[in-house]
Amino acid sequence: RKEVEQDPGPFNVPEGATVAFNCTYSNSASQSFFWYRQDCRKEPKLLMSVYSSGNEDGRFTAQLNRASQYISLLIRDSKLSDSATYLCVVNGYNFNKFYFGSGTKLNVKP
Amino acid sequence: EAQVTQNPRYLITVTGKKLTVTCSQNMNHEYMSWYRQDPGLGLRQIYYSMNVEVTDKGDVPEGYKVSRKEKRNFPLILESPSPNQTSLYFCASSSLTGGDTGELFFGEGSRLTVL
Repeated sequence: RKEVEQDPGPFNVPEGATVAFNCTYSNSASQSFFWYRQDCRKEPKLLMSVYSSGNEDGRFTAQLNRASQYISLLIRDSKLSDSATYLCVVNGYNFNKFYFGSGTKLNVKP
Repeated sequence: EAQVTQNPRYLITVTGKKLTVTCSQNMNHEYMSWYRQDPGLGLRQIYYSMNVEVTDKGDVPEGYKVSRKEKRNFPLILESPSPNQTSLYFCASSSLTGGDTGELFFGEGSRLTVL
């Protein structure tokens, strides 16, 4: 079983739509959680960390549910520039390993 | 500018010809790591290092070696490359200092093709 699982998509949505991604992780001892964004053939870049109480950054909202071991990312008012692959990343108890989901591809259409 | 620099960015080589991919970071990070990314498999950790002279295997270390003689550098060595090592490779670093988010900073990637 994979450490981190994501729906690969693609999610094809019109501009202005609200879209949500979910991610599940298998290790209940995981300590840190992140969403990264990766554009085609480029390096991943941190979109936002995910905190236990949930957190928001502009149009982006991240939530963590430790009991069910899943993380979510909500994007409101989608822009064309949001088109990318979104990676769910989980850090283990000892910090030494980061586990990546295989990514969810988002296509925002005009 | 804070950055992680990898070289080469693109390389085509032949089976068995030793190669090294360099990685350097200027953020004084303790933690450095190598990943490979393949379609449908996501990023998989090859090796990581918690500090100078401290390295350990990740999930897919076979066929790779690393060294951490200096804090800023973490080269990836393929002693005898094989076609199944054709992939996109990323180096990343992170601070282990308390209070930081644990954000991973990535290099721009090295696309390796082994014929």
